[in-house]
Amino acid sequence: GENVEQHPSTLSVQEGDSAVIKCTYSDSASNYFPWYKQELGKRPQLIIDIRSNVGEKKDQRIAVTLNKTAKHFSLHITETQPEDSAVYFCAATPFNNDMRFGAGTRLTVKP
Amino acid sequence: SQTIHQWPATLVQPVGSPLSLECTVEGTSNPNLYWYRQAAGRGLQLLFYSVGIGQISSEVPQNLSASRPQDRQFILSSKKLLLSDSGFYLCAWSVDPGGDTQYFGPGTRLTVL
Repeated sequence: GENVEQHPSTLSVQEGDSAVIKCTYSDSASNYFPWYKQELGKRPQLIIDIRSNVGEKKDQRIAVTLNKTAKHFSLHITETQPEDSAVYFCAATPFNNDMRFGAGTRLTVKP
Repeated sequence: SQTIHQWPATLVQPVGSPLSLECTVEGTSNPNLYWYRQAAGRGLQLLFYSVGIGQISSEVPQNLSASRPQDRQFILSSKKLLLSDSGFYLCAWSVDPGGDTQYFGPGTRLTVL
Protein backbone atom coordinates (compact mmCIF):
# COMPACT_ATOMS: atom_id res chain seq x y z
CA GLY A 1 0.00 0.00 0.00
CA GLU A 2 0.86 3.67 -0.09
CA ASN A 3 3.32 5.10 2.45
CA VAL A 4 3.64 8.85 2.94
CA GLU A 5 6.48 10.51 4.80
CA GLN A 6 6.33 14.15 5.82
CA HIS A 7 9.10 16.50 6.93
CA PRO A 8 9.77 18.39 9.07
CA SER A 9 7.62 17.37 12.03
CA THR A 10 7.87 20.88 13.48
CA LEU A 11 8.64 24.16 11.78
CA SER A 12 8.99 27.59 13.32
CA VAL A 13 9.24 30.71 11.17
CA GLN A 14 9.11 34.42 11.67
CA GLU A 15 6.04 36.25 10.44
CA GLY A 16 6.54 37.24 6.82
CA ASP A 17 8.98 34.44 6.07
CA SER A 18 8.21 31.47 3.84
CA ALA A 19 7.52 27.93 5.03
CA VAL A 20 8.06 24.73 3.08
CA ILE A 21 6.78 21.30 4.01
CA LYS A 22 7.83 18.24 2.03
CA CYS A 23 6.23 14.85 1.52
CA THR A 24 7.31 11.72 -0.28
CA TYR A 25 5.10 8.85 -1.37
CA SER A 26 5.81 5.29 -2.37
CA ASP A 27 3.05 4.21 -4.73
CA SER A 28 3.63 5.45 -8.26
CA ALA A 29 -0.09 4.89 -8.93
CA SER A 30 -1.04 7.72 -6.57
CA ASN A 31 -2.69 10.47 -8.55
CA TYR A 32 -4.18 12.90 -6.05
CA PHE A 33 -2.33 14.88 -3.40
CA PRO A 34 -4.29 17.09 -1.01
CA TRP A 35 -3.00 19.23 1.83
CA TYR A 36 -5.01 19.75 4.99
CA LYS A 37 -4.67 22.32 7.75
CA GLN A 38 -5.78 21.38 11.24
CA GLU A 39 -6.09 23.96 13.97
CA LEU A 40 -6.01 22.83 17.57
CA GLY A 41 -9.06 20.75 18.42
CA LYS A 42 -10.64 21.24 15.00
CA ARG A 43 -11.22 19.07 11.97
CA PRO A 44 -8.71 19.00 9.11
CA GLN A 45 -9.64 21.42 6.35
CA LEU A 46 -8.53 21.11 2.75
CA ILE A 47 -6.36 24.06 1.76
CA ILE A 48 -5.01 23.03 -1.62
CA ASP A 49 -4.67 19.92 -3.75
CA ILE A 50 -2.91 18.79 -6.89
CA ARG A 51 -3.41 15.97 -9.34
CA SER A 52 -0.72 13.95 -11.03
CA ASN A 53 -1.20 15.62 -14.41
CA VAL A 54 -0.16 19.00 -12.97
CA GLY A 55 3.28 20.04 -11.73
CA GLU A 56 2.37 23.13 -9.74
CA LYS A 57 -0.71 24.86 -8.37
CA LYS A 58 -1.00 28.16 -6.60
CA ASP A 59 -3.73 29.82 -4.54
CA GLN A 60 -2.75 33.24 -3.22
CA ARG A 61 0.00 32.65 -0.62
CA ILE A 62 -0.14 28.87 -0.88
CA ALA A 63 1.42 26.73 -3.59
CA VAL A 64 1.98 23.03 -4.07
CA THR A 65 4.55 21.41 -6.35
CA LEU A 66 4.65 17.81 -7.49
CA ASN A 67 7.59 15.82 -8.85
CA LYS A 68 6.19 12.51 -10.07
CA THR A 69 9.57 11.14 -11.06
CA ALA A 70 10.99 11.62 -7.59
CA LYS A 71 7.61 10.91 -5.95
CA HIS A 72 7.59 13.95 -3.77
CA PHE A 73 5.40 17.00 -3.36
CA SER A 74 5.74 20.14 -1.31
CA LEU A 75 3.61 22.84 0.26
CA HIS A 76 4.90 26.39 0.09
CA ILE A 77 3.44 29.19 2.18
CA THR A 78 4.73 32.67 1.50
CA GLU A 79 4.41 35.79 3.65
CA THR A 80 3.40 33.68 6.64
CA GLN A 81 1.01 35.11 9.21
CA PRO A 82 0.30 34.05 12.81
CA GLU A 83 -3.03 32.56 11.69
CA ASP A 84 -1.09 30.12 9.51
CA SER A 85 0.02 28.41 12.73
CA ALA A 86 -1.50 24.92 12.70
CA VAL A 87 -0.69 21.32 11.90
CA TYR A 88 -0.47 20.58 8.20
CA PHE A 89 -1.03 17.12 6.73
CA CYS A 90 -0.17 15.92 3.28
CA ALA A 91 -1.89 12.93 1.75
CA ALA A 92 -1.62 10.72 -1.30
CA THR A 93 -4.22 8.47 -2.82
CA PRO A 94 -4.01 5.89 -5.57
CA PHE A 95 -7.07 4.90 -7.55
CA ASN A 96 -8.26 2.33 -5.04
CA ASN A 97 -9.55 4.94 -2.62
CA ASP A 98 -6.99 4.35 0.10
CA MET A 99 -5.87 7.86 1.06
CA ARG A 100 -2.76 7.88 3.23
CA PHE A 101 -1.74 10.81 5.35
CA GLY A 102 1.66 12.01 6.40
CA ALA A 103 2.37 12.30 10.12
CA GLY A 104 1.85 16.07 10.09
CA THR A 105 3.95 19.21 10.48
CA ARG A 106 3.33 21.62 13.33
CA LEU A 107 3.93 25.09 11.93
CA THR A 108 4.42 27.98 14.32
CA VAL A 109 4.55 31.51 12.95
CA LYS A 110 6.08 33.90 15.43
CA PRO A 111 4.89 37.52 15.30
CA SER B 1 -24.51 22.27 -0.09
CA GLN B 2 -23.16 19.22 1.62
CA THR B 3 -22.72 19.01 5.37
CA ILE B 4 -21.42 16.28 7.60
CA HIS B 5 -22.46 15.77 11.20
CA GLN B 6 -20.94 13.75 13.98
CA TRP B 7 -22.15 13.06 17.48
CA PRO B 8 -21.52 13.14 20.21
CA ALA B 9 -18.90 15.89 20.18
CA THR B 10 -17.21 14.59 23.31
CA LEU B 11 -17.51 11.34 25.19
CA VAL B 12 -15.97 9.94 28.36
CA GLN B 13 -16.37 6.20 28.78
CA PRO B 14 -15.00 3.59 31.21
CA VAL B 15 -12.80 0.76 30.00
CA GLY B 16 -14.89 -2.20 28.91
CA SER B 17 -17.98 -0.17 28.05
CA PRO B 18 -19.57 -0.18 24.58
CA LEU B 19 -19.25 2.61 22.03
CA SER B 20 -21.40 4.00 19.28
CA LEU B 21 -20.40 7.05 17.26
CA GLU B 22 -22.60 8.30 14.48
CA CYS B 23 -21.87 10.21 11.33
CA THR B 24 -24.39 11.51 8.81
CA VAL B 25 -23.98 13.39 5.57
CA GLU B 26 -26.51 15.72 4.00
CA GLY B 27 -26.80 17.09 0.52
CA THR B 28 -25.28 14.25 -1.46
CA SER B 29 -26.18 10.73 -2.48
CA ASN B 30 -24.06 7.59 -2.30
CA PRO B 31 -21.06 9.26 -0.69
CA ASN B 32 -17.92 7.36 0.15
CA LEU B 33 -17.55 7.42 3.91
CA TYR B 34 -14.50 7.06 6.13
CA TRP B 35 -13.63 6.77 9.80
CA TYR B 36 -10.28 8.04 11.02
CA ARG B 37 -8.72 8.08 14.45
CA GLN B 38 -6.24 10.67 15.60
CA ALA B 39 -4.34 10.00 18.80
CA ALA B 40 -3.25 13.08 20.76
CA GLY B 41 -0.60 14.97 18.81
CA ARG B 42 -0.47 12.32 16.11
CA GLY B 43 -1.48 11.81 12.52
CA LEU B 44 -4.64 10.45 10.95
CA GLN B 45 -5.16 6.70 10.90
CA LEU B 46 -7.75 5.31 8.50
CA LEU B 47 -9.95 2.80 10.32
CA PHE B 48 -12.77 1.97 7.90
CA TYR B 49 -14.18 3.11 4.62
CA SER B 50 -17.40 2.39 2.81
CA VAL B 51 -18.38 2.82 -0.83
CA GLY B 52 -22.02 1.87 -0.30
CA ILE B 53 -24.67 0.55 2.06
CA GLY B 54 -23.45 -2.56 3.84
CA GLN B 55 -20.01 -2.33 2.22
CA ILE B 56 -17.29 -1.83 4.81
CA SER B 57 -13.53 -2.18 4.38
CA SER B 58 -11.38 -2.43 7.47
CA GLU B 59 -7.88 -1.03 7.45
CA VAL B 60 -6.58 -1.98 10.85
CA PRO B 61 -7.43 -5.03 13.00
CA GLN B 62 -8.85 -3.78 16.28
CA ASN B 63 -11.79 -4.02 18.63
CA LEU B 64 -13.77 -1.51 16.58
CA SER B 65 -16.35 -2.17 13.90
CA ALA B 66 -18.26 -0.02 11.45
CA SER B 67 -21.65 -0.26 9.84
CA ARG B 68 -23.51 1.65 7.16
CA PRO B 69 -27.22 0.97 7.66
CA GLN B 70 -28.31 3.82 5.38
CA ASP B 71 -26.78 5.59 2.41
CA ARG B 72 -25.69 8.65 4.37
CA GLN B 73 -25.14 7.14 7.80
CA PHE B 74 -21.94 5.64 9.08
CA ILE B 75 -21.58 4.20 12.57
CA LEU B 76 -18.46 3.28 14.50
CA SER B 77 -18.91 0.79 17.32
CA SER B 78 -17.11 -1.20 19.93
CA LYS B 79 -18.35 -3.87 22.32
CA LYS B 80 -15.61 -3.22 24.89
CA LEU B 81 -13.47 -0.09 24.90
CA LEU B 82 -9.76 -0.15 25.67
CA LEU B 83 -7.65 2.67 27.08
CA SER B 84 -5.87 2.81 23.74
CA ASP B 85 -9.15 3.67 22.02
CA SER B 86 -8.95 7.22 23.35
CA GLY B 87 -8.55 9.79 20.62
CA PHE B 88 -10.22 12.14 18.20
CA TYR B 89 -12.51 10.27 15.80
CA LEU B 90 -13.17 11.90 12.48
CA CYS B 91 -15.71 10.92 9.88
CA ALA B 92 -15.13 12.04 6.31
CA TRP B 93 -16.90 11.79 2.98
CA SER B 94 -15.97 12.04 -0.67
CA VAL B 95 -17.87 11.99 -3.94
CA ASP B 96 -15.80 9.53 -5.92
CA PRO B 97 -13.75 6.54 -4.83
CA GLY B 98 -10.10 7.16 -5.35
CA GLY B 99 -8.41 10.42 -6.17
CA ASP B 100 -11.00 12.67 -4.62
CA THR B 101 -11.14 15.26 -1.89
CA GLN B 102 -12.29 14.09 1.51
CA TYR B 103 -14.26 16.44 3.72
CA PHE B 104 -14.14 15.94 7.44
CA GLY B 105 -16.83 16.13 10.08
CA PRO B 106 -16.33 18.07 13.32
CA GLY B 107 -15.05 15.00 15.15
CA THR B 108 -15.76 13.19 18.41
CA ARG B 109 -13.24 13.40 21.21
CA LEU B 110 -13.31 10.10 23.09
CA THR B 111 -11.62 9.62 26.43
CA VAL B 112 -11.51 6.12 27.87
CA LEU B 113 -10.77 6.01 31.60
